[in-house]
Amino acid sequence: GAVVSQHPSWVICKSGTSVKIECRSLDFQATTMFWYRQFPKQSLMLMATSNEGSKATYEQGVEKDKFLINHASLTLSTLTVTSAHPEDSSFYICSARDFVGGRTDTQYFGPGTRLTVL
Amino acid sequence: AQSVTQPDIHITVSEGASLELRCNYSYGATPYLFWYVQSPGQGLQLLLKYFSGDTLVQGIKGFEAEFKRSQSSFNLRKPSVHWSDAAEYFCAVGNNDMRFGAGTRLTVKP
Repeated sequence: GAVVSQHPSWVICKSGTSVKIECRSLDFQATTMFWYRQFPKQSLMLMATSNEGSKATYEQGVEKDKFLINHASLTLSTLTVTSAHPEDSSFYICSARDFVGGRTDTQYFGPGTRLTVL
Repeated sequence: AQSVTQPDIHITVSEGASLELRCNYSYGATPYLFWYVQSPGQGLQLLLKYFSGDTLVQGIKGFEAEFKRSQSSFNLRKPSVHWSDAAEYFCAVGNNDMRFGAGTRLTVKP
């Protein structure tokens, strides 16, 4: 159980184009999903927190107009990188929180999406 | 503010030897603590987690971790390492906004 998928697993695009990445919780409902960015040989950096039916909360320094997040249902969140540039090339990972009840919950991570902007 | 420190960037152990990966945290309240493993080009797999209760936590793949409040530590251990354990290991703290350590890369020698 608690499987999170991402699509696509990798994408190559031209500079100036937009790319959409999907994150799905396959066997549970996730009221909250998270988007992370990971540069080579570095740790994960939280970009934004996405709550179903409301606007995402972005971390300091993350451009919300650049990285559009939509969490339209309890099983799907999307990240759109708008007008992508080579510096946006990175490994993007989403996670979904399985809300068990009370204070205990766990984030389950997707397999990641490798974005390369030429 | 919450933070996580993994002091060891890279560790090499021989197959069959024991392993301990260090993690220290800074958190204002009772922490939620996690260890994840990441293979190259892959997402993160949860090894184990601590929310409350018994401070010695058992996880998957033979891993365990011990929460020590007095030392603000949550070190990961395995009594006998297998070659397939070679990967990047991340310690994380938090709930609504999870913070990750820088990671420790584990190399396993034959």
